[in-house]
Amino acid sequence: RKEVEQDPGPFNVPEGATVAFNCTYSNSASQSFFWYRQDCRKEPKLLMSVYSSGNEDGRFTAQLNRASQYISLLIRDSKLSDSATYLCAVYKGTYKYIFGTGTRLKVLA
Amino acid sequence: SAVISQKPSRDICQRGTSLTIQCQVDSQVTMMFWYRQQPGQSLTLIATANQGSEATYESGFVIDKFPISRPNLTFSTLTVSNMSPEDSSIYLCSLTGAGRETQYFGPGTRLLVL
Repeated sequence: RKEVEQDPGPFNVPEGATVAFNCTYSNSASQSFFWYRQDCRKEPKLLMSVYSSGNEDGRFTAQLNRASQYISLLIRDSKLSDSATYLCAVYKGTYKYIFGTGTRLKVLA
Repeated sequence: SAVISQKPSRDICQRGTSLTIQCQVDSQVTMMFWYRQQPGQSLTLIATANQGSEATYESGFVIDKFPISRPNLTFSTLTVSNMSPEDSSIYLCSLTGAGRETQYFGPGTRLLVL
């Protein structure tokens, strides 16, 4: 089993739709989690951290489910500009991270 | 947050040659990291570059193949040696954020080995 797994997609959704991605992790001791956004031919950029209590930033909500060992990212009212690949990352300690392969989102007009 | 630049942004190289990638940060940072992102794969940490000491390599990566320099707190280089087509990838340098649990990436170097 991979340490971090994501559905590669693509998720094709119409503008205005709500879409959610999950990311599962194997190490139950993991403490810190993140979502990154990566546009085509660009570097990953931090989207948001995932806290135990959840984290909301505008149209984006990140949640952690420790019992089932996954994190989720919910995007409401999707925009064309949300089209990207979304990577989850799990902090392993000593400045090391495990990244998922990413979930590709395409928002359609 | 710090501004990270990389050179070259892309290159096409012949098998058996070597390429040195430069990473420049606009502020002093203690630790810099080098990642590889192969097509369809996740970001994989190659090594941690510490100023004043040898780089620390992850499992599967060796110094002979990926020598790293870190001459000061704002600069690092990664060399991809004796390249083969399997080395075709995006190479990214990164550093930790102020909270130390987030990472910020340079724009990457897109390498194609023929």
